[in-house]
Amino acid sequence: GESVGLHLPTLSVQEGDNSIINCAYSNSASDYFIWYKQESGKGPQFIIDIRSNMDKRQGQRVTVLLNKTVKHLSLQIAATQPGDSAVYFCAERKAGNTGKLIFGQGTTLQVKP
Amino acid sequence: GAGVSQSPSNKVTEKGKDVELRCDPISGHTALYWYRQSLGQGLEFLIYFQGNSAPDKSGLPSDRFSAERTGGSVSTLTIQRTQQEDSAVYLCASSPRGTGNSPLHFGNGTRLTVT
Repeated sequence: GESVGLHLPTLSVQEGDNSIINCAYSNSASDYFIWYKQESGKGPQFIIDIRSNMDKRQGQRVTVLLNKTVKHLSLQIAATQPGDSAVYFCAERKAGNTGKLIFGQGTTLQVKP
Repeated sequence: GAGVSQSPSNKVTEKGKDVELRCDPISGHTALYWYRQSLGQGLEFLIYFQGNSAPDKSGLPSDRFSAERTGGSVSTLTIQRTQQEDSAVYLCASSPRGTGNSPLHFGNGTRLTVT
């Protein structure tokens, strides 16, 4: 079946360091990818997205990299802050699909002060 | 502006009872989604509504689950004869359009506990 997986379930980083969260996807027909952040008791919050015709996209303190050759997606967070502690999900959408997103299992980011 | 609103935020029900979960999407969003999230897990797609098109029900786990969207706005997810394995957080999301590249905007979910 279709799946989006994350390499590590938990990532622990020191405050101020950069964080890299990785994601592998299995469907080469996917053409749109999104990263979400989910804090305890809340719904997922959109962080950044990228289309398959791009390799890199930058936001405020975040960068998403897409490597279609190896079907790999990563989220880089610069100067990680305590408020970045959360679960991060990657999600993909198949080209021409109804619009539904397929989510991975999530990576927990812990920021140590 | 207001985000996606879900009610109730928490629901405890006895096994075998029916429950209804409500979602108010962002005004003007034509696409509406329901997902389920079990403890410590990712999001599992349930159903998707886009405008007046027939909904994509491919993710509904059994015929005990159904959803409707009235007037292209508010949606209700109904679970009949609830089972303990139905316990999860049910998340609703909306987007300006379903196809194309637009992110989903999620509510904070309804935590359902079946005892």
